[in-house]
Amino acid sequence: GAVVSQHPSWVICKSGTSVKIECRSLDFQATTMFWYRQFPKQSLMLMATSNEGSKATYEQGVEKDKFLINHASLTLSTLTVTSAHPEDSSFYICSASPAHEQFFGPGTRLTVL
Amino acid sequence: KNQVEQSPQSLIILEGKNCTLQCNYTVSPFSNLRWYKQDTGRGPVSLTIMTFSENTKSNGRYTATLDADTKQSSLHITASQLSDSASYICVVTATSKLTFGTGTRLQVTL
Repeated sequence: GAVVSQHPSWVICKSGTSVKIECRSLDFQATTMFWYRQFPKQSLMLMATSNEGSKATYEQGVEKDKFLINHASLTLSTLTVTSAHPEDSSFYICSASPAHEQFFGPGTRLTVL
Repeated sequence: KNQVEQSPQSLIILEGKNCTLQCNYTVSPFSNLRWYKQDTGRGPVSLTIMTFSENTKSNGRYTATLDADTKQSSLHITASQLSDSASYICVVTATSKLTFGTGTRLQVTL
């Protein structure tokens, strides 16, 4: 089956710093990738849709200047959390869809101190 | 507003027992319904995917049903194992938009 990887799997950073999370589709090409955020005991919330070669589409309430998304190739999308604050601490998950099914990455646990 | 509701919110069962998780949705236009298993600290993994015309689909000990008329789905787990302990998420797709349920947290104990 299709495999999606994320790096890093966890990261701890100081408040005010920026953190980059990578999402890769390992065995297929994805023109579209999705970024989700998940708080404890809650479901996944779509943050943005990442489109290869064009600007990302952000969901209502998600600050595009804070969560920078770059989809530079058909196998890589990155999410950069800029000027991170403790309230940004969460589990970030990406997904990609080679056909009609979405495959999720293993997630990245971000903790901002 | 598109919504997916799951019940129960949490469930504890003994190893070897069966259980059934429920999913009710108000999503339109309906494209497909998926069940995912999410282990703690991991991304969701697909168990089943069903389109409008499919009533049931199995994946090993997991069997999903879909009633498109009543907009209900269930996930039945047979002969549960400790490794089944996870959150089970029902996801309904309307065109290209996914609507996630809040999940059922299943704990299988000895």
